[in-house]
This record gives sequence, C-alpha cells and structure tokens, in this order.
Amino acid sequence: KAGVTQTPRYLIKTRGQQVTLSCSPISGHRSVSWYQQTPGQGLQFLFEYFSETQRNKGNFPGRFSGRQFSNSRSEMNVSTLELGDSALYLCASSLGGRGNEQFFGPGTRLTVL
Amino acid sequence: AQKVTQAQTEISVVEKEDVTLDCVYETRDTTYYLFWYKQPPSGELVFLIRRNSFDEQNEISGRYSWNFQKSTSSFNFTITASQVVDSAVYFCALSGANTGNQFYFGTGTSLTVIP
Repeated sequence: KAGVTQTPRYLIKTRGQQVTLSCSPISGHRSVSWYQQTPGQGLQFLFEYFSETQRNKGNFPGRFSGRQFSNSRSEMNVSTLELGDSALYLCASSLGGRGNEQFFGPGTRLTVL
Repeated sequence: AQKVTQAQTEISVVEKEDVTLDCVYETRDTTYYLFWYKQPPSGELVFLIRRNSFDEQNEISGRYSWNFQKSTSSFNFTITASQVVDSAVYFCALSGANTGNQFYFGTGTSLTVIP
C-alpha cells in the first residue's frame, strides 16, 4: 500500500507570495490533517479535513486555508507569505475515527525569503 | 487543555545501552489516546505505537517497550540495546476524545546513539 505523498518536497518563495501544497493520503483514508513544524514552535496542528469538510482547526491566521477533494486528496494554501511561515509542512492521513493513528508524509520544506 | 511534556531535549548513549524517553501528559478527557513517533533525519514522522486511556497494559515490540501509568500521567518509551539506527527525534503525542483528531505533540527528544 502506498504511503502518504506530498508535493512539492521543497519550495522557495518570497514574502507576499502565495503557495499551495498538495497531499495524497493512503488509499482508503478519509481524514487528512496538516501540521507545521518549526524549530521554535515544534509541531503545531493547522487543520483536519474529513470527507471534504473541515472538521477541526488549529490556532493559525486566516492566511492558512485548505480543502479536500472527493478522492480525499488535500491541498493547503498560504497567502501573503511571511518570513515566519518558513517551516516543514507535514500532512497526515488516517481512517478518521477518534484516536486513530495518523500516518505522515515526508513533508514540504517551505522557505520564505 | 491538552499538553504533552518531554523534558529531555537531547540524550546521548553508547550503542547497546538501554535508554528511556520520558513523556508526561495533561488532559481533562477521560478517554484519550497516546502515541509515539520517530522522526529520523529524513524528516518523515514514523508511527511507533498507540495506546488508549483504558489500556494500561505495557507493550513490548522487539527492542522497544512502553510503560503507560495513568497514576503519574506518563507514557514512557524504552529502547533496549540501542543501535545507531535508533538515532532520531522521538515525539510523544496526545489526542483527546473531545478534540477530534488533533494531535498535541511534545517538543521531542533527540536521541543520539554513539557507535
């Protein structure tokens, strides 16, 4: 069974630009969660999508948004990039039930200059 | 509120030594789930174990073992006879029954196994 895939793996953007990251979950998984990982803040939850609906949201500004498609693939968008958005963005998929383990992708390394 | 504390920031051991990684959690939920993940230098988080709050039985998987104690709100992870391939950052995480599938991660413990 293929694991979670994320594209692109690396991105370099400049302040003010916007970016879209993509995540394909494990086949059969309906939940996709996004996390931001930085050296200073660690792993922080952005949001979770289940069956195309945002089910849970972390404490991030509205510049961070996402969506999920009918095939469970998910995209995350960050608008008006700031230097502080430089991070590793991790996508995780799960079956979607409470307490199910999440399986993570390799991440997208975003650098904002 | 949900919180996970991994007080050990960095640990170094010599190969074949045993090492225990500590994890202390806080939650008001009576039903919750605990996890351990390994993050090697490649960056991908690898799932190791899941425990629910009603199952305090300790678990052993090869050289890995986990000790869950509700009385002290701890879920510690022991690696026996460590190997160089165990070098990674290890994260403990908590998910509450009332917080959806949001995982609350600790700050991680960086383990270096010296050959």
